[in-house]
Amino acid sequence: ETGVTQTPRHLVMGMTNKKSLKCEQHLGHNAMYWYKQSAKKPLELMFVYSLEERVENNSVPSRFSPECPNSSHLFLHLHTLQPEDSALYLCASSRLTGASSYNSPLHFGNGTRLTVT
Amino acid sequence: DQQVKQNSPSLSVQEGRISILNCDYTNSMFDYFLWYKKYPAEGPTFLISISSIKDKNEDGRFTVFLNKSAKHLSLHIVPSQPGDSAVYFCAASARNNNDMRFGAGTRLTVKP
Repeated sequence: ETGVTQTPRHLVMGMTNKKSLKCEQHLGHNAMYWYKQSAKKPLELMFVYSLEERVENNSVPSRFSPECPNSSHLFLHLHTLQPEDSALYLCASSRLTGASSYNSPLHFGNGTRLTVT
Repeated sequence: DQQVKQNSPSLSVQEGRISILNCDYTNSMFDYFLWYKKYPAEGPTFLISISSIKDKNEDGRFTVFLNKSAKHLSLHIVPSQPGDSAVYFCAASARNNNDMRFGAGTRLTVKP
């Protein structure tokens, strides 16, 4: 039990489909993140939500649309994806401790393995 | 731009010996460094961290060393155990910055 739960674990979708990835954290954290991990590449930060407000969007294509309805839930809505979007999508959460403090380590879910056909 | 680099994609050591995993960074604003461990089909899990005010942090068999002048950190595991076999990611961030940068990972194999 990681405290961060992602569903589904695996997803295969066509390029015209619309699907959503879900993340839920049970750790009382106030920041949530979406990362993308492609083969043999570093984890790439996609989106950050701090206190339910999006604070970071690292030039992610608009076919990825995040949603954070509350501090415990995070979604990634997917539509008209490309085969190169196939990757492991990781959700993470952390506790932001204040302007003069270090952020706490990220706690990751087990990821959603996405295949776009 | 890859601000955190792990130049060794893989490392193999014998059980009981020391494992040394290396990481280099380019951004001088980074002041908080972490190591994560990842098993197959699981997300990365936090292992150990160090802030820039220290040059060493130890937790059981795991020690992280930071050389700020060289912008280099390393993770020492001693003695290595077969259960340590995993991919290890180095990560870095600046204080109060949400953008934590990761290296590409080093796959450690500890042979019995």
